[in-house]
Amino acid sequence: IAGITQAPTSQILAAGRRMTLRCTQDMRHNAMYWYRQDLGLGLRLIHYSNTAGTTGKGEVPDGYSVSRANTDDFPLTLASAVPSQTSVYFCASSATSGGFLEQFFGPGTRLTVL
Amino acid sequence: GENVEQHPSTLSVQEGDSAVIKCTYSDSASNYFPWYKQELGKGPQLIIDIRSNVGEKKDQRIAVTLNKTAKHFSLHITETQPEDSAVYFCAAKDDYKLSFGAGTTVTVRA
Repeated sequence: IAGITQAPTSQILAAGRRMTLRCTQDMRHNAMYWYRQDLGLGLRLIHYSNTAGTTGKGEVPDGYSVSRANTDDFPLTLASAVPSQTSVYFCASSATSGGFLEQFFGPGTRLTVL
Repeated sequence: GENVEQHPSTLSVQEGDSAVIKCTYSDSASNYFPWYKQELGKGPQLIIDIRSNVGEKKDQRIAVTLNKTAKHFSLHITETQPEDSAVYFCAAKDDYKLSFGAGTTVTVRA
């Protein structure tokens, strides 16, 4: 089934630990995005990638890093997790970053940092 | 950068009535305005969108209007049904990225 998969579905993590959230899409989309969703704040862009091999910072990039080694995968890493990174994380993709193209979202990862 | 404000934060309507959600944006360069619906435990899904060269767009029971001069756009849902209960997000796109509103939780009462 075409779409975006994210793993894990949920995770409880001790502060200070390193964590990588995985995202894979099979739609051959060039652009991929990571958002965090917090109550009352909507969806905020963490990092994005317009095409494989390139990445950029979004609205709230501090404490997060990404890589885009190939078209399909876009992992998000928390080098040293802090409680303020407790959130629901969504990966999304679109055919390209320009134009008027739909962003497709994954099912999300619920992360709790204690 | 772009700032999108969305109102109301919660909306309760009787089944069959209409629901209206309003958003304003700050960057006049924004040219694409999608609306997403998020059901419990799922990722957001596009339900309708409008480009800056169009004032209104309709798709069955949902419609979106855009006022570029005032920099606001609205989502209208008519004849609401229980399955319309969800969180709705507006967004504005400038250049390469979307900026989202804070969301509206819509509850349709039977």
